[in-house]
Amino acid sequence: KQEVTQIPAALSVPEGENLVLNCSFTDSAIYNLQWFRQDPGKGLTSLLLIQSSQREQTSGRLNASLDKSSGRSTLYIAASQPGDSATYLCAVSFSGGSNYKLTFGKGTLLTVNP
Amino acid sequence: NAGVMQNPRHLVRRRGQEARLRCSPMKGHSHVYWYRQLPEEGLKFMVYLQKENIIDESGMPKERFSAEFPKEGPSILRIQQVVRGDSAAYFCASSPAQLPVGTEAFFGQGTRLTVV
Repeated sequence: KQEVTQIPAALSVPEGENLVLNCSFTDSAIYNLQWFRQDPGKGLTSLLLIQSSQREQTSGRLNASLDKSSGRSTLYIAASQPGDSATYLCAVSFSGGSNYKLTFGKGTLLTVNP
Repeated sequence: NAGVMQNPRHLVRRRGQEARLRCSPMKGHSHVYWYRQLPEEGLKFMVYLQKENIIDESGMPKERFSAEFPKEGPSILRIQQVVRGDSAAYFCASSPAQLPVGTEAFFGQGTRLTVV
């Protein structure tokens, strides 16, 4: 069964700290992996999209890596700010006939304390 | 270019009533995907539609749920005879071409359905 797991479920850090969020997936045959941000009661904002042929993507203070062989991705947030507080979701498009489907993890709830 | 628009943002229904959720994709997008987020759960795929066609409804409950994407107008997710277990956030996403080749999905703000 193709599943996506995110650890930890929740994380609380002081402002300014660098942090890493983890995502693992059960099948290494993926098309791409995407990180989203979800604010309470709001929609999903795409942060980074990594194609299966890529190892990492960067956007500002965010860096996402992909290791298909081990079934893992990490989202690195540098110099965290209170405004980074949100739920971070990892979503995978698995290869195959239904690769238009995104399989989501349950998310990591991040709280950055001032 | 407006994003994916969903309405209503919040919907309260009594058990047994019908719920209609609307999704207007981004301009130029003809592919729509519906996802459901139950409390404490991740988003789950429900259905994939193109204009006037249901491509994949494998994630839809077999009864009470239906979806359409007519030639004109928004995509509609309809839930008949709602039950408390239908309470969730329903998200719509759209893309200009079938995912995932060369494009990504853009998500709306969601409709939060509460069944009382």
